[in-house]
Amino acid sequence: KAGVTQTPRYLIKTRGQQVTLSCSPISGHRSVSWYQQTPGQGLQFLFEYFSETQRNKGNFPGRFSGRQFSNSRSEMNVSTLELGDSALYLCASSLSRGGIYEQYFGPGTRLTVT
Amino acid sequence: AQSVTQLDSHVSVSEGTPVLLRCNYSSSYSPSLFWYVQHPNKGLQLLLKYTSAATLVKGINGFEAEFKKSETSFHLTKPSAHMSDAAEYFCVVSEGRDDKIIFGKGTRLHILP
Repeated sequence: KAGVTQTPRYLIKTRGQQVTLSCSPISGHRSVSWYQQTPGQGLQFLFEYFSETQRNKGNFPGRFSGRQFSNSRSEMNVSTLELGDSALYLCASSLSRGGIYEQYFGPGTRLTVT
Repeated sequence: AQSVTQLDSHVSVSEGTPVLLRCNYSSSYSPSLFWYVQHPNKGLQLLLKYTSAATLVKGINGFEAEFKKSETSFHLTKPSAHMSDAAEYFCVVSEGRDDKIIFGKGTRLHILP
């Protein structure tokens, strides 16, 4: 069974631009979560999608948004990029909602904002 | 609300010696607890999970963790460290269906030859 895939793996953008990251969950998984990982802040939860609906959201500004499609694939969008948005963005899928289900992580997208 | 504290940001052990990574949690209900490992430039991989079954949980690569409700702890151990264990380890707590999954800040494990 294929794992979680994220595209692109690396991205360089300029301040003020916008970016869209993509995540394909493991087949059959319906929950997709997004995380931002930086050396200073560690792993921070962005949002979770389940059945095309955002179910939980972390403490990030509205510039960060996402969506989930009917096939469970998810995209994350960051508008008006700032230098501080440089980070590794991780996507994780799980079978369903609820904390008992372990998450399976993709390799991440490394975003650099210059 | 739940929270998780990893008591050490860095741990160094010699190869072949035991590993102990400490994690304390706060939870109003019966939590689910996880340990994940992240090798350099890789995504996170599940090591083990506790979901109210046996309190001693065995995971991959010889790791295990014990859920101690009275101490609100879920420490990760391994009898004998290997060089390939060098990585960052995250303790994770989750309470229920609608609650977020909370990650600890991570413990970086260094293995000395």
